Amino acid sequence: NAGVTQTPKFQVLKTGQSMTLQCAQDMNHNSMYWYRQDPGMGLRLIYYSASEGTTDKGEVPNGYNVSRLNKREFSLRLESAAPSQTSVYFCASSEAGASYNEQFFGPGTRLTVL
Amino acid sequence: AQSVTQPDIHITVSEGASLELRCNYSYGATPYLFWYVQSPGQGLQLLLKYFSGDTLVQGIKGFEAEFKRSQSSFNLRKPSVHWSDAAEYFCAVIKAAGNKLTFGGGTRVLVKP
Repeated sequence: NAGVTQTPKFQVLKTGQSMTLQCAQDMNHNSMYWYRQDPGMGLRLIYYSASEGTTDKGEVPNGYNVSRLNKREFSLRLESAAPSQTSVYFCASSEAGASYNEQFFGPGTRLTVL
Repeated sequence: AQSVTQPDIHITVSEGASLELRCNYSYGATPYLFWYVQSPGQGLQLLLKYFSGDTLVQGIKGFEAEFKRSQSSFNLRKPSVHWSDAAEYFCAVIKAAGNKLTFGGGTRVLVKP
């Protein structure tokens, strides 16, 4: 039981390049989330998916797109990377239903945009 | 808009000493409240949560937190820290009607031998 997995662990991009961050969970959770973590700002929600087939914007969606490929997988795409997107990205998942359900986090992807 | 404030960016504590991490939130109603821990290079792990009932909540790893409505606070405590408690700690809230976590800026805890 791997929980939430993310690939890659590290990535360096040049400004303007594109890439997709992959996330998968094996807990049969309905809800999945993408966060970015920046020093002193905690984690901020980029996008989330309450259930398969639905996605919604979070606090900082600009410059990102997401795809809920199936119940297990939720990917985050940077179409044209910018230095301001240098960050650590976390994927999380939770059961649907109650707002206070625990979110389980992946190990993160450290992205540097030059 | 709701916000979560963790006033202390860094705290250094000696091994065996007590630890208290502060968290204040600004929101009209009582939100759901959480504390997460992030060990170096790792994802976040839930320590404890509060949504109703007894205002003193017990969590994993010997941590507890107390909800004080009058102070809009949800402070995390541990009576005796271990070297393995060195990590970054995040307070987070969810509005009662939603499912989106809002995080504080985090407090990094260093443990001296």
